[in-house]
Amino acid sequence: EAQVTQNPRYLITVTGKKLTVTCSQNMNHEYMSWYRQDPGLGLRQIYYSMNVEVTDKGDVPEGYKVSRKEKRNFPLILESPSPNQTSLYFCASSLGPRETQYFGPGTRLLVL
Amino acid sequence: GIQVEQSPPDLILQEGANSTLRCNFSDSVNNLQWFHQNPWGQLINLFYIPSGTKQNGRLSATTVATERYSLLYISSSQTTDSGVYFCAVESTGGFKTIFGAGTRLFVKA
Repeated sequence: EAQVTQNPRYLITVTGKKLTVTCSQNMNHEYMSWYRQDPGLGLRQIYYSMNVEVTDKGDVPEGYKVSRKEKRNFPLILESPSPNQTSLYFCASSLGPRETQYFGPGTRLLVL
Repeated sequence: GIQVEQSPPDLILQEGANSTLRCNFSDSVNNLQWFHQNPWGQLINLFYIPSGTKQNGRLSATTVATERYSLLYISSSQTTDSGVYFCAVESTGGFKTIFGAGTRLFVKA
């Protein structure tokens, strides 16, 4: 089944404790992206990747890192999480940047 | 950067009614997509529609790129249509995706 998977789905952590949210797709998509969703703000893009080893900032990259060492995986790294990073996070992928995007199930993160 | 505005912000319909959701954008775009987020949080793509008109069952969408807006039509609404509808655009200046704040739809049985 073609899908985008994210892990974990739910995470509670404390300020400053490094964490990684994984994202994987099995559709051989080149373009992958991370978003955060906050009430009243819609989805805001954090980072995107055009292909392996090619990443670029979205609108809200501060406090986040990404890597794209393999085509199928695009992990989101929070080196030192803070409470303002409490949010619902989505990973998405598409064949290319100007193609239909397919979303993962979301990861709900709470930073205390 | 490009601004994306959706209207109305909230909409309540009786089952069977029709509705039109609007997405305005402030600059030229390379693409435009409509998504539905169901009450469980899952995001589903509805249309990839940088221009023209597309239909899928009870849903259809029209994008008039030269006038910088897109419309999503829902006919004969059902309770399962409830959720939040987002439009998302990619500006011509790069590969970022910008979402609108969404239209929250509730369909009453």
